[in-house]
Amino acid sequence: NAGVTQTPKFRILKIGQSMTLQCTQDMNHNYMYWYRQDPGMGLKLIYYSVGAGITDKGEVPNGYNVSRSTTEDFPLRLELAAPSQTSVYFCASSYFTDSYEQYFGPGTRLTVT
Amino acid sequence: QQPVQSPQAVILREGEDAVINCSSSKALYSVHWYRQKHGEAPVFLMILLKGGEQKGHEKISASFNEKKQQSSLYLTASQLSYSGTYFCGTVLSSGSARQLTFGSGTQLTVLP
Repeated sequence: NAGVTQTPKFRILKIGQSMTLQCTQDMNHNYMYWYRQDPGMGLKLIYYSVGAGITDKGEVPNGYNVSRSTTEDFPLRLELAAPSQTSVYFCASSYFTDSYEQYFGPGTRLTVT
Repeated sequence: QQPVQSPQAVILREGEDAVINCSSSKALYSVHWYRQKHGEAPVFLMILLKGGEQKGHEKISASFNEKKQQSSLYLTASQLSYSGTYFCGTVLSSGSARQLTFGSGTQLTVLP
């Protein structure tokens, strides 16, 4: 099993550009998540999904969109990138939330200049 | 509601012990502990469910005090490989969205 994979690993965007961060898991997990981690800080939940076709906002959803058309994939879309979105983005998955471990992808380091 | 971790940072010598605390102002259903090394993704350590059960994994163990809404992570006879940032994540007892909220982390440095 590859676990959770993310692409790209690094990206530099100009202000106002858009991009999609890809996330795929091969563990047949129901739940998938997107977090952002600013330097020296903890993880903040952006969006999550409890299954294909179902998504919901987390703590910091503004400026992002998600979709989940399959169990495996959970892409994160950034529209009109801003410097405040410079961060490391982690995708994670789990069977459920409250009592199961989350498996994290390697992360995408995004810089907006 | 973000849990509060303490201390923010700790420096140890190999073989010394450390305790990292995580507390919440709201009733908790579960507490999760993760370790993250620099430039890497967080890695799961353990989950504690309400009921005050203590768990252990080699020389790393944790407890959950349901009355105080507090969890502690115990690192015994620390090794160089224990260095990293430790995060607790909490799931509240109430609310329909049982999502994990992470604390701001405790940076642990183990020196030879």
